[in-house]
Amino acid sequence: KNEVEQSPQNLTAQEGEFITINCSYSVGISALHWLQQHPGGGIVSLFMLSSGKKKHGRLIATINIQEKHSSLHITASHPRDSAVYICAAPTDKLIFGTGTRLQVFP
Amino acid sequence: GAGVSQSPRYKVAKRGQDVALRCDPISGHVSLFWYQQALGQGPEFLTYFQNEAQLDKSGLPSDRFFAERPEGSVSTLKIQRTQQEDSAVYLCASTHGGRVDTDTQYFGPGTRLTVL
Repeated sequence: KNEVEQSPQNLTAQEGEFITINCSYSVGISALHWLQQHPGGGIVSLFMLSSGKKKHGRLIATINIQEKHSSLHITASHPRDSAVYICAAPTDKLIFGTGTRLQVFP
Repeated sequence: GAGVSQSPRYKVAKRGQDVALRCDPISGHVSLFWYQQALGQGPEFLTYFQNEAQLDKSGLPSDRFFAERPEGSVSTLKIQRTQQEDSAVYLCASTHGGRVDTDTQYFGPGTRLTVL
């Protein structure tokens, strides 16, 4: 069993749909990272959160540290949101989930 | 630019060749990380430097892998006698401070290594 698991692995949506990606982890951490990886490899940090909810534009991340679960939501999805979304748990190093590949079609 | 850069972006090596991958972190960033990302997988930790000190190399898969950061800035990941299973994207990231849990990691574009 991986220490950081994401679901779903693949997600297809129509433009405008509300998207939810889930992340569960078994390690003890005080914060969690959400990252975005576009084709070609570049990874961008989206959020780092330790409690509650954070919002940035159409992206919302929530975390429940006690339940060891986090979700990333995208409102009014757009084709440019198509990417791989990865959650990562910082122990003494970052432990990454396998990622969720999102494709948003017009 | 002011971001993390890596070179080369693509490298094709014949099995048994040695390769060297370079990472230029953001200027002034204390910490530097190397990750290996196999196709369809999330990145996996290889090694970590704080300034010139290699504090953790527990993720290096074998003694064929060697990393250095002699002046606390540019880092090189060297792979000796490459094998096909070494084929992956090698990512470098840097952070301003030394905290994995609170510092944002800035990633380079990666080097895609293909071993034939």
